[in-house]
Amino acid sequence: DIQMTQSPSSLSASVGDRVTITCRASQSINTYLNWYQHRPGKAPELLIYAVSILQSGVPSRFSGSGSETDFTLTISSLQPEDFAVYYCQETYSMSPTFGGGTRVEI
Amino acid sequence: EVQLVESGGGVVQPGGSLRLSCAASGFTFDEHAMHWVRHVPGRGLEWVSLISGDGAGTYYADSVKGRFTISRDNNKNSLYLEMESLRTEDTALYYCARDRNVVRGVYFDYWGQGALVTVSS
Repeated sequence: DIQMTQSPSSLSASVGDRVTITCRASQSINTYLNWYQHRPGKAPELLIYAVSILQSGVPSRFSGSGSETDFTLTISSLQPEDFAVYYCQETYSMSPTFGGGTRVEI
Repeated sequence: EVQLVESGGGVVQPGGSLRLSCAASGFTFDEHAMHWVRHVPGRGLEWVSLISGDGAGTYYADSVKGRFTISRDNNKNSLYLEMESLRTEDTALYYCARDRNVVRGVYFDYWGQGALVTVSS
């Protein structure tokens, strides 16, 4: 099975900060890497798919990059509604795996 | 508008069974594979199971293999998860999610609001 390791597991930031979250796969996953936002009491929401493609309706302050095994989610200017848990996900395998999550707190 | 609505959650004793349903609307159901994903409070998201659009292909996480069965009824636009031999560690909020497969990637683009399953004596 493919393992997905996110770092950090949590971070504290302020409105307006630039935030970077990393995700490492245990093997090459090509471009099968997605990012989701999960707010308390809400369903997870797709932010970015295929490493860097912004899902329709997602603000442009979110961006993704990377290749093979190392990937990054960047929030260019943190907004109050961005405080949530972020997950990377590989869909290279038939048993898609999520990273452990990164909690972004004030 | 795409909608996914889970039902069937509840409290069950260890060793018991439960069946979750997910009613889909707003899209051509049989054109999409579907997934179940669970979230344990304080822990992360865990993928549980996948079923192909025609129902012929099914896949399971090792943690539920042999105990859970995913199925679908394309005539009723419904997805199911039959859970047996439930354990306390199966306690979670269970989401159904739609699979989207495009040239550049595969992702879960729509999610339901979840059905809470509590396994406790």
